[in-house]
Amino acid sequence: GAVVSQHPSWVICKSGTSVKIECRSLDFQATTMFWYRQFPKQSLMLMATSNEGSKATYEQGVEKDKFLINHASLTLSTLTVTSAHPEDSSFYICSAPGLRTEAFFGQGTRLTVV
Amino acid sequence: QKEVEQNSGPLSVPEGAIASLNCTYSDRGSQSFFWYRQYSGKSPELIMFIYSNGDKEDGRFTAQLNKASQYVSLLIRDSQPSDSATYLCAVENDMRFGAGTRLTVKP
Repeated sequence: GAVVSQHPSWVICKSGTSVKIECRSLDFQATTMFWYRQFPKQSLMLMATSNEGSKATYEQGVEKDKFLINHASLTLSTLTVTSAHPEDSSFYICSAPGLRTEAFFGQGTRLTVV
Repeated sequence: QKEVEQNSGPLSVPEGAIASLNCTYSDRGSQSFFWYRQYSGKSPELIMFIYSNGDKEDGRFTAQLNKASQYVSLLIRDSQPSDSATYLCAVENDMRFGAGTRLTVKP
């Protein structure tokens, strides 16, 4: 099946710094990428939808200036958490819709802001 | 906004029993439905998808769809401890998930 490679798998950063998370579609072209955040014991919350060559669509309540999404090519989408704070510590996951509309997920990134 | 509702559980069943997971959705026009399994600290993985009313079986898993009542369920037969995970229901390809049901299968 299709593969979405996400890295880093975990990252620890200092408060106030920025962190970039990458998701690559390895054997297919992903014109759309979904970005989720998941806090412990909670469900996946859709943050934004990125589309290749255009601006991302953000869900209500998600700060677009804080969570910068770039989808510059058909195989790469990135999420940058800017000026990270401890409350941004979470599990971030990307997914790309497949041909039959099911989603192919990246491995996830565990972000800890100290 | 489309809503997807799941009983968050936790649901606990003994090994070998049938686990029943349910999901309701608000958009009557929805056409495709997905069940994902997520182990702690891992990304979700697709278990089954269903488009048509009725039952769809795959090994120990059966998905049931009732569009008139707007619910979709997942049955796990002969539950195993390795089935212990959170099960997520998703509707359509806008990929909004229910809260997930945490299942524990006790040996």
